[in-house]
Amino acid sequence: EVQVLESGGGLVQPGGSLRLSCVGSGFTLSSYGMSWVRQAPGKGLEWVSGMSVSGGSTYYADSVRGRFTISTDNSKSTLYLQMNSLRAEDTAVYYCAKEKRSSKTNYYYYMDVWGKGTTVTVSS
Amino acid sequence: DIVLTQSPATLSLSPGERATLSCRASQNIRSSLAWYQHKPGQAPRLLIYDASNRASGIPARFSGSGSGTDFTLTISGLEPEDFAVYYCQQRSDWPSLTFGGGTKVEIK
Repeated sequence: EVQVLESGGGLVQPGGSLRLSCVGSGFTLSSYGMSWVRQAPGKGLEWVSGMSVSGGSTYYADSVRGRFTISTDNSKSTLYLQMNSLRAEDTAVYYCAKEKRSSKTNYYYYMDVWGKGTTVTVSS
Repeated sequence: DIVLTQSPATLSLSPGERATLSCRASQNIRSSLAWYQHKPGQAPRLLIYDASNRASGIPARFSGSGSGTDFTLTISGLEPEDFAVYYCQQRSDWPSLTFGGGTKVEIK
């Protein structure tokens, strides 16, 4: 079964750092685009960051660019999100997702496998 | 950035009724749209991609339509497990990816 499992969330003070992990199983993580998506309390889904096949390119939402870094360790089939200079507005459940190609463009447009998320709380 | 606007914000229906959810894009996104179902404490679930293709394992009561700027998700007869929040999503302006604000389908 194709699955992803997030970990690493917790309580951190403003200005602090945290690293989230996402372990993929049942598929070769480096063969797919991967993304991180978050949901703040009472809010909708917000895309945070993505990585192309084999980690060749990385992408970020404006709200986290320069503070967050996405990376992979293919030997461990693990995706990471390093989060620095955390702010209260980064408080959210963070989801890892495997991307799916559009059948019309062949670009990775969608997300077909999601984890249950890990909770990050930024507060003093 | 392309903005997706979903309506209504909340839809109150009874089991067995038909649900019609709308998603409007601020620019032409051709058919590059997906729909997701999300329940509290669970992983979001891909329902529809490329505007009208059902994802693997999704029941036939879920259908998607539309192209350009106007899209619709239809649930032909609501089952008890269908009460949830539904999001549309686009990535037409690669690599940026955006979601709509969501529609909550609640039991009337």
